[in-house]
Amino acid sequence: QSVLTQPPSASGTPGQRVTISCSGSSSNIGSHTVNWYQQLPGTAPKAIIYGNNQRPSGVPDRFSGSKSGTSASLAISGLQSEDEADYYCAAWDDSLNGYVFGTGTRVTVL
Amino acid sequence: EVQLVESGGDLVQPGGSLRLSCAVSGFTFSSYVMSWVRQAPGKGLEWVSDISGSGGSTNYAGSVKGRFTISRDKSTNTLYLQMNSLGADDTAGYYCARRGLGQAYYFDYWGQGTLVTVS
Repeated sequence: QSVLTQPPSASGTPGQRVTISCSGSSSNIGSHTVNWYQQLPGTAPKAIIYGNNQRPSGVPDRFSGSKSGTSASLAISGLQSEDEADYYCAAWDDSLNGYVFGTGTRVTVL
Repeated sequence: EVQLVESGGDLVQPGGSLRLSCAVSGFTFSSYVMSWVRQAPGKGLEWVSDISGSGGSTNYAGSVKGRFTISRDKSTNTLYLQMNSLGADDTAGYYCARRGLGQAYYFDYWGQGTLVTVS
């Protein structure tokens, strides 16, 4: 059972902005940076945000991340059909002494 | 080019053992923390274990502690996961992943995964 909570689904039409929330606690998000991964169907996950708001090379600037207290969010602006995927937040957890992933959010482009 | 290639996944009976391998190339293996992450069919991601660049420090998820052992061989640039006392809950695709350098704990490269079925 994951300690980071995300909404199970989110959707939008092409060009819209979609936001995904990630709720944690003081032992994970409250103490460490948050990362976001995108998993396209049938493929391995890929980091799209690290260190709360940094994009790895090659990730479009349509993806942005933020953190406040024990919560974080991922925003996808200018939604495109290729953004249809599962998205996971993640962070280190001091209480568990391990890395924890969020429950995952499936983004659908209508 | 950074590459991570897992192997060793198989069908195994409950209570059995299996060893997964992850052959890496394209970077200095000993400079990076490496991890295993698994994903049960149709489910989310679960971090399993990590190991320091030297191999001297390891961490495990509570669900596998005492049953799984992570290790690495710098002479062959290979990461391993020895899995014992396997149960149905261990059925999953297992990915090896490289932790990026710097303070942020995130995985910058992933393998394609290898499937373990316990039945």
